[in-house]
Amino acid sequence: DGGITQSPKYLFRKEGQNVTLSCEQNLNHDAMYWYRQDPGQGLRLIYYSQIVNDFQKGDIAEGYSVSREKKESFPLTVTSAQKNPTAFYLCASGQHSGNTIYFGEGSWLTVV
Amino acid sequence: GENVEQHPSTLSVQEGDSAVIKCTYSDSASNYFPWYKQELGKRPQLIIDIRSNVGEKKDQRIAVTLNKTAKHFSLHITETQPEDSAVYFCAASKNANKLVFGAGTILRVKS
Repeated sequence: DGGITQSPKYLFRKEGQNVTLSCEQNLNHDAMYWYRQDPGQGLRLIYYSQIVNDFQKGDIAEGYSVSREKKESFPLTVTSAQKNPTAFYLCASGQHSGNTIYFGEGSWLTVV
Repeated sequence: GENVEQHPSTLSVQEGDSAVIKCTYSDSASNYFPWYKQELGKRPQLIIDIRSNVGEKKDQRIAVTLNKTAKHFSLHITETQPEDSAVYFCAASKNANKLVFGAGTILRVKS
């Protein structure tokens, strides 16, 4: 778990602004994920990537974008098209050959 | 796609009692079922998992059971303690790593 670093921990976004959340892992995991968690709710998958330079949409990809240029990095951009971005964002990673995933500490995004 | 339902949404137990949380899944091809514990404002932490070739798994006070025929699995916590208070999530996966989560159960252990 300690090998997944998310930053920043707290972020405020103005209306119409794009923001990028960073996720870095040093666990040599092939797969990386972004989940969104709303207060009192479960985790919903935004995007995931199983190998470098490839990623797939999850259940709620609209208004978000990602890149996977390096194995250890999977940044998430919350665009102005995402109308309700206030949430807790969790990055996770796991081995492609297995099932278990581990989460980073999370990033709180608030629209002001 | 896969759908996971989790019950109850909240559960209060007296310290020392047992707690049981149940999940059902829709895709019979799912083969991996982890449970995560999340404390307030923190990340979910894996506490136990089970694969479809096993019916039950135990780790100290925690156990998970799986009924593939009925497509449901349960988390059992015995001798509950105040530090067990948290939100618990079940999940299911049929492809490596793409987990679908339940909505979560808030467990309160009263001392």
